[in-house]
Amino acid sequence: GENVEQHPSTLSVQEGDSAVIKCTYSDSASNYFPWYKQELGKRPQLIIDIRSNVGEKKDQRIAVTLNKTAKHFSLHITETQPEDSAVYFCAASKPNYGQNFVFGPGTRLSVLP
Amino acid sequence: NAGVTQTPKFRVLKTGQSMTLLCAQDMNHEYMYWYRQDPGMGLRLIHYSVGEGTTAKGEVPDGYNVSRLKKQNFLLGLESAAPSQTSVYFCASKTGTGVSNEQFFGPGTRLTVL
Repeated sequence: GENVEQHPSTLSVQEGDSAVIKCTYSDSASNYFPWYKQELGKRPQLIIDIRSNVGEKKDQRIAVTLNKTAKHFSLHITETQPEDSAVYFCAASKPNYGQNFVFGPGTRLSVLP
Repeated sequence: NAGVTQTPKFRVLKTGQSMTLLCAQDMNHEYMYWYRQDPGMGLRLIHYSVGEGTTAKGEVPDGYNVSRLKKQNFLLGLESAAPSQTSVYFCASKTGTGVSNEQFFGPGTRLTVL
């Protein structure tokens, strides 16, 4: 089955710097890759997603890039702010019966003032 | 719209006790999912449903059962709770039509089994 790895597990950056989180997946049939942000004690919430027919997608300070050949995708956050501090999860999904997500283990991002 | 709601928010059980977690959504979504979240392991799929009256096993189904008698509700049951089932449980739902694949999550249920 699908396996999603995520690195690093923890990341600390200074406010204003950029942060990059990388994920790899194993199943070449996966075609949808969301990123979720989870603040402490809260539910995961979608921040950006990308489909396999697109190489890059941007939404203000957040961008995601996808390399289908290498089976990896990355989250880029520019001009980080303290409110970006959270746990970020990547996931991969394919168009099967349940359209299930397989999540990575998460990255804890700390933005230091 | 309330979105996805979960009941209860917290629960403490003794080993061997049973309980049911309720997930409700008011977005008319076809797909519903139950996950458990443990430190350092992300979200793991327990069971899911692609429509009323259907259920299927996910990655970690042992020790759990589910039912989807109504489209808006998805119940997760623990027949005989074990300490290994101490976790935070999240329900999620998504539409089965249209272009969006986004899963919307509930607020979670924190379960402790002693």
